[in-house]
Amino acid sequence: GENVEQHPSTLSVQEGDSAVIKCTYSDSASNYFPWYKQELGKRPQLIIDIRSNVGEKKDQRIAVTLNKTAKHFSLHITETQPEDSAVYFCAATGTDSWGKLQFGAGTQVVVTP
Amino acid sequence: EAGVAQSPRYKIIEKRQSVAFWCNPISGHATLYWYQQILGQGPKLLIQFQNNGVVDDSQLPKDRFSAERLKGVDSTLKIQPAKLEDSAVYLCASSFLLYPEQYFGPGTRLTVT
Repeated sequence: GENVEQHPSTLSVQEGDSAVIKCTYSDSASNYFPWYKQELGKRPQLIIDIRSNVGEKKDQRIAVTLNKTAKHFSLHITETQPEDSAVYFCAATGTDSWGKLQFGAGTQVVVTP
Repeated sequence: EAGVAQSPRYKIIEKRQSVAFWCNPISGHATLYWYQQILGQGPKLLIQFQNNGVVDDSQLPKDRFSAERLKGVDSTLKIQPAKLEDSAVYLCASSFLLYPEQYFGPGTRLTVT
């Protein structure tokens, strides 16, 4: 089955700097890669996603890139703000297991003013 | 638009007791998922329903966990008997049929003592 590894486990950045989280996946058939943000005690919130037919997607200060050959994808947050502090999870799934999201272990992002 | 609803939000039980969680998905979402999120880890899929049929329950510990989705809307997840290692947040998510985007409920935090 799919295995997703996520790095780093913790990330501390100064407000205004950029943050990058990287994930690798094992199943070359995977074709959907969402990113979730989870604040303490809250639900995971879908913030951005990318499908395998696209190399990059942006939404305001966040972007996701996908390298299918290397089987890795990354989340980029620019101009970080204190409200970006949360745990971020990457995930992957493929059409043969549609909906069965395999999550990474998460990255704790702390943005200090 | 109303999100995924779950209840109760918190539950404390003793080991060997039973417990049930309820989920109401977003209106129109035919697919419903139950995840287990242990502290410090990403969510792990327990079971996936499409309408009222089970699509995937390969990671559901069937000797103690059961789930149903009568009439293809609300769902309940039951644990009987509970073990200490079942302490976790149980998340429900839903999506439109054949769409991969999943939206999570607030979860039920279960503590087994």
